[in-house]
Amino acid sequence: SAVISQKPSRDICQRGTSLTIQCQVDSQVTMMFWYRQQPGQSLTLIATANQGSEATYESGFVIDKFPISRPNLTFSTLTVSNMSPEDSSIYLCSVVGDAYEQYFGPGTRLTVT
Amino acid sequence: QKEVEQNSGPLSVPEGAIASLNCTYSDRGSQSFFWYRQYSGKSPELIMSIYSNGDKEDGRFTAQLNKASQYVSLLIRDSQPSDSATYLCAVKMNTGFQKLVFGTGTRLLVSP
Repeated sequence: SAVISQKPSRDICQRGTSLTIQCQVDSQVTMMFWYRQQPGQSLTLIATANQGSEATYESGFVIDKFPISRPNLTFSTLTVSNMSPEDSSIYLCSVVGDAYEQYFGPGTRLTVT
Repeated sequence: QKEVEQNSGPLSVPEGAIASLNCTYSDRGSQSFFWYRQYSGKSPELIMSIYSNGDKEDGRFTAQLNKASQYVSLLIRDSQPSDSATYLCAVKMNTGFQKLVFGTGTRLLVSP
């Protein structure tokens, strides 16, 4: 399976500011996903990021709030914009394996004050 | 009806017992099913995948799939305190895309 890293691992941010989370994979992958996991909850898919095309957002998530970049096959960023305390979550990126299984990065724990 | 349903638990079992975790899904056309383990404060870790009806064993873990009943389960034999975690069921829906739908997870507690 791919080795996935995320930066930062955690951050505490002021409301109204933005944070960009980086996801780096040690091999080339076509599809990457960004998830949010709010405290005590399961995973919620934010968007699918394909290299060379616009990200596809799930219902309830918009590009203005969560802009995503996918400049190459090993890297993606997710920005959480104009943050509020409700954005306090763990943000995870994942990649797809050969049989539709997904492998997750270690996550970014975001606290908005 | 939720797309993937799990009992949130906690499921409490003594050390050495068999833990049985269950999951139902709504899309009859689903073909790929996964179990993830998530320790508190960590990201989900893939532990089992299953694609055809029947049982699939890997060490102390057995995944069971019954597509007719739209039911997938995970058995953990000889449960250890280190198995205490939240177990997430994930299903690839028959949408043509590669995204997974996750259940809410079952918290397992294994007592010494």
